[in-house]
Amino acid sequence: DTEVTQTPKHLVMGMTNKKSLKCEQHMGHRAMYWYKQKAKKPPELMFVYSYEKLSINESVPSRFSPECPNSSLLNLHLHALQPEDSALYLCASSQEIRYEQYFGPGTRLTVT
Amino acid sequence: KNQVEQSPQSLIILEGKNCTLQCNYTVSPFSNLRWYKQDTGRGPVSLTIMTFSENTKSNGRYTATLDADTKQSSLHITASQLSDSASYICVVTPYNAGNNRKLIWGLGTSLAVNP
Repeated sequence: DTEVTQTPKHLVMGMTNKKSLKCEQHMGHRAMYWYKQKAKKPPELMFVYSYEKLSINESVPSRFSPECPNSSLLNLHLHALQPEDSALYLCASSQEIRYEQYFGPGTRLTVT
Repeated sequence: KNQVEQSPQSLIILEGKNCTLQCNYTVSPFSNLRWYKQDTGRGPVSLTIMTFSENTKSNGRYTATLDADTKQSSLHITASQLSDSASYICVVTPYNAGNNRKLIWGLGTSLAVNP
């Protein structure tokens, strides 16, 4: 299995909702990433997990809460989001932080 | 400041034609340079990856070149197909002995292949 999967593909949520994005890989990678991408912009790094521990937090607001339950799974918990948080959320993984990243298909999030 | 600049911003070509996309970077030293293809609303897919010592790398109809002296890279697409319509993004990894090897992304070239 050489892919990163993400669910759901699309998500529409209100500003008072709580939802979660899920990312999974079975390549034995020990680094996993969350990115946010707005239209016609490059992906912006949000969080990096290495060996299931949070390694990098790029000053992301607390309404985004990452979780790495095990080496294959990465979640992003969402609460009290704003309309400007609407974007494509990408998950990626790599063998370790220094290695090439493989991206999932993304979750298209719309906050109403 | 580490930057990656791509040109042209957008390009329209006819099916079957060739095209070349450009990437200029100021990241130095760097670990590697990648070209990604990203379809609208989808995650980026890696096309090629080159270290500073490599001059060219091919992947099917895609050929990337790298000139580390002039800090330029190009992506050449041969015999374009309708499915090549996408954004092509140049990404440079700065050399960093630590773990925070944050990727430096270009804004991409939007390619449209018309029948």
